[in-house]
Amino acid sequence: AQTVTQSQPEMSVQEAETVTLSCTYDTSENNYYLFWYKQPPSRQMILVIRQEAYKQQNATENRFSVNFQKAAKSFSLKISDSQLGDTAMYFCAFTSAGGTSYGKLTFGQGTILTVHP
Amino acid sequence: DTAVSQTPKYLVTQMGNDKSIKCEQNLGHDTMYWYKQDSKKFLKIMFSYNNKELIINETVPNRFSPKSPDKAHLNLHINSLELGDSAVYFCASSQTGTGTYGYTFGSGTRLTVV
Repeated sequence: AQTVTQSQPEMSVQEAETVTLSCTYDTSENNYYLFWYKQPPSRQMILVIRQEAYKQQNATENRFSVNFQKAAKSFSLKISDSQLGDTAMYFCAFTSAGGTSYGKLTFGQGTILTVHP
Repeated sequence: DTAVSQTPKYLVTQMGNDKSIKCEQNLGHDTMYWYKQDSKKFLKIMFSYNNKELIINETVPNRFSPKSPDKAHLNLHINSLELGDSAVYFCASSQTGTGTYGYTFGSGTRLTVV
């Protein structure tokens, strides 16, 4: 079974600085997809960024970028120029295009990020 | 226009009652899901439906019964509610059955059983 591990329960950063959230996963699949979701206090789950495992290039979305290390099964999220609105719980998630994870999004435990003014 | 809408947003009920949560998506997605977020914020899949057909049925008590009247709707009925059912329940949808483009989530239903 696939597992996703986020080893940082809580992180904090000053406004305008950069922070990196860690995620590791375990799978025997070769074709899979990784995501970061943000859950602010409003409870809404918001897709931040998506990475396809067969693409070497790291995904970026404005201030958000990932460092995808396939061999190490690592998928970290870098937030640049942190803003107060980035305060939220961040979840790393995995799904595969086949196998036992087909259609199933497996989440990590989450990291609470607090951005301080 | 809300893409995935769940009702109600909050539900407080007594043990032993039966309750339903409704979900509708207007994205034209083929697949819908129910996820449970427990008190530690851990998210776990419960069910998925692809075009009205049950695809994923995780180890969930059979007091929980999903129903999909059409591909835009997925409801969750819970019988004989127990204290341990208290959680936030999220409905979600995805463009394909693989979910490889990610899910769009509803805003969640906080269920409190007293």
